[in-house]
Amino acid sequence: EAQVTQNPRYLITVTGKKLTVTCSQNMNHEYMSWYRQDPGLGLRQIYYSMNVEVTDKGDVPEGYKVSRKEKRNFPLILESPSPNQTSLYFCATSGGGNQYFGPGTRLLVL
Amino acid sequence: SQQGEEDPQALSIQEGENATMNCSYKTSINNLQWYRQNSGRGLVHLILIRSNEREKHSGRLRVTLDTSKKSSSLLITASRAADTASYFCATTGGGADGLTFGKGTHLIIQP
Repeated sequence: EAQVTQNPRYLITVTGKKLTVTCSQNMNHEYMSWYRQDPGLGLRQIYYSMNVEVTDKGDVPEGYKVSRKEKRNFPLILESPSPNQTSLYFCATSGGGNQYFGPGTRLLVL
Repeated sequence: SQQGEEDPQALSIQEGENATMNCSYKTSINNLQWYRQNSGRGLVHLILIRSNEREKHSGRLRVTLDTSKKSSSLLITASRAADTASYFCATTGGGADGLTFGKGTHLIIQP
């Protein structure tokens, strides 16, 4: 079964405490990306990756890092989270014209 | 940059009625997709229409695409309470496979 998994699903943290949200896909897709969703703003792309070791900024990359050391994983790293990064985050992968989204990670930064 | 713009932002109709949502975009596209999102949950892919297609059907869904007007519409016929959700259009274009999403239309189906 095609799957995109994210962990954790829910996270409450404090300002400045580094965190990583993992994303994994089992479809051998080259393209993966991260989005955040905020009320009234819809989904905005943070970073994307065209392949292993190839990453690029999306529309709202500030305050985030990513890495793509292997095809199946694309973690999102917040080195020093701030309250304005409180949001709902989605990882996605695409291949063959289809998009697959993870279930989302709800992050609260206090 | 945000490309898709859904219209209306919110829509409330009676169960059984048809719901129509519109999406406009700014640049050329490869395809346009519609997604549904139930409150706080993940996105569900509904339908994809390619830039050389004008209309597509899937069950109770009908999507149209007018590339000359850079717009698309999603029609849900015979709406049901379970259709209550937010609906997003998203486009792909250029060299990357990435999606550009609109802000969404929140649809409420009243029983």
